[in-house]
Amino acid sequence: AQSVTQLDSQVPVFEEAPVELRCNYSSSVSVYLFWYVQYPNQGLQLLLKYLSGSTLVKGINGFEAEFNKSQTSFHLRKPSVHISDTAEYFCAGNFGNEKLTFGTGTRLTIIP
Amino acid sequence: GAVVSQHPSRVICKSGTSVKIECRSLDFQATTMFWYRQFPKQSLMLMATSNEGSKATYEQGVEKDKFLINHASLTLSTLTVTSAHPEDSSFYICSARDGAESSYNSPLHFGNGTRLTVT
Repeated sequence: AQSVTQLDSQVPVFEEAPVELRCNYSSSVSVYLFWYVQYPNQGLQLLLKYLSGSTLVKGINGFEAEFNKSQTSFHLRKPSVHISDTAEYFCAGNFGNEKLTFGTGTRLTIIP
Repeated sequence: GAVVSQHPSRVICKSGTSVKIECRSLDFQATTMFWYRQFPKQSLMLMATSNEGSKATYEQGVEKDKFLINHASLTLSTLTVTSAHPEDSSFYICSARDGAESSYNSPLHFGNGTRLTVT
């Protein structure tokens, strides 16, 4: 069965420190992977996506993610976080149909 | 960029009444729209997939007679919560896929959600 797992429900990070939000997937077919960010009481905004090609993808707001097929991971990273990065982050996968499968989300809290 | 407008952003209704939520794609044609429900501090739960001009496909466990979905045009889908009850209170989010983009690997564009409170 196809699935997306975000093991960390909450990640506190000091301002200007680096952060990594973990995402793992399980799939027997090719997968397209996405990271979305959700600010309070808002919808989701696309941060970045991996479709094929280079395994390191860069997104908006200084975020990047690396697709690792052997480890079935797609971790999100940012070298230096800001207060404005406080939000909920969702990893999602498309496993060859029209639907997106979401992880359970990671709440990133930036500590001043 | 592609914009999805969702209205209203907040609605409070009395138990037993119906509420309609609109989802519009403003600058693209959305052949497929998705409706999600999100409980506090939880992930998005897909409720149904709607394709323009056809009946919506509901996920298992979602009552299609309670959550009526209409996708009458390429830019508008509506979700009507009928005979609402307090347990229907939640955050509802719509998303749309641009019909001009390749299907499964194109990202979804999300509305800003609707906070429904049933008293």
